Amino acid sequence: AQRVTQPEKLLSVFKGAPVELKCNYSYSGSPELFWYVQYSRQRLQLLLRHISRESIKGFTADLNKGETSFHLKKPFAQEEDSAMYYCALSANYGGSQGNLIFGKGTKLSVKP
Amino acid sequence: KAGVTQTPRYLIKTRGQQVTLSCSPISGHRSVSWYQQTPGQGLQFLFEYFSETQRNKGNFPGRFSGRQFSNSRSEMNVSTLELGDSALYLCASSFRTSGYNTGELFFGEGSRLTVL
Repeated sequence: AQRVTQPEKLLSVFKGAPVELKCNYSYSGSPELFWYVQYSRQRLQLLLRHISRESIKGFTADLNKGETSFHLKKPFAQEEDSAMYYCALSANYGGSQGNLIFGKGTKLSVKP
Repeated sequence: KAGVTQTPRYLIKTRGQQVTLSCSPISGHRSVSWYQQTPGQGLQFLFEYFSETQRNKGNFPGRFSGRQFSNSRSEMNVSTLELGDSALYLCASSFRTSGYNTGELFFGEGSRLTVL
């Protein structure tokens, strides 16, 4: 069964510290993975996707098929990074990207 | 561009009633998907519509239904409401052709349903 696991409900770090939000997935096919973020009082929005292999707001995520992981990392956390982060997997039935399987999310709190 | 618009934003219903939620996608987006968000289960996929056809459906009972109109606007309906249907219902649109999808979902602010 397809599943996304984010083991930490809450992650609290100090400003300037490195951040790693963990995401593990279970999927029998070739996965497409995403990180979505929801800042306070804002909509859920895409942060980055693994196929783009880009860094957004200093965040990067590498797909590790051997460990079935897609951890989100940032070397130096900023207070404005405080938000809810969701890892998501595309089941991609028939080319559809609308069917995303979300993890339960990790709340990142960056303290001054 | 205007974002995804969902109406109503808040509503209260009683058990046994039915509810219809509306979603207007971003102009040019032809795919609309719906998610239910609850504290216990998180974000769960309900269904996706593209070109007025349901393309995918999540694991929800038949009380949950939806449709899409020719202008890509979508509605979802929940009949015979139960207490457990209380949730935030999120709509998301994406740019998709029949064979290509950017993979990015644009979410609305949600419709918060409370069932008493």
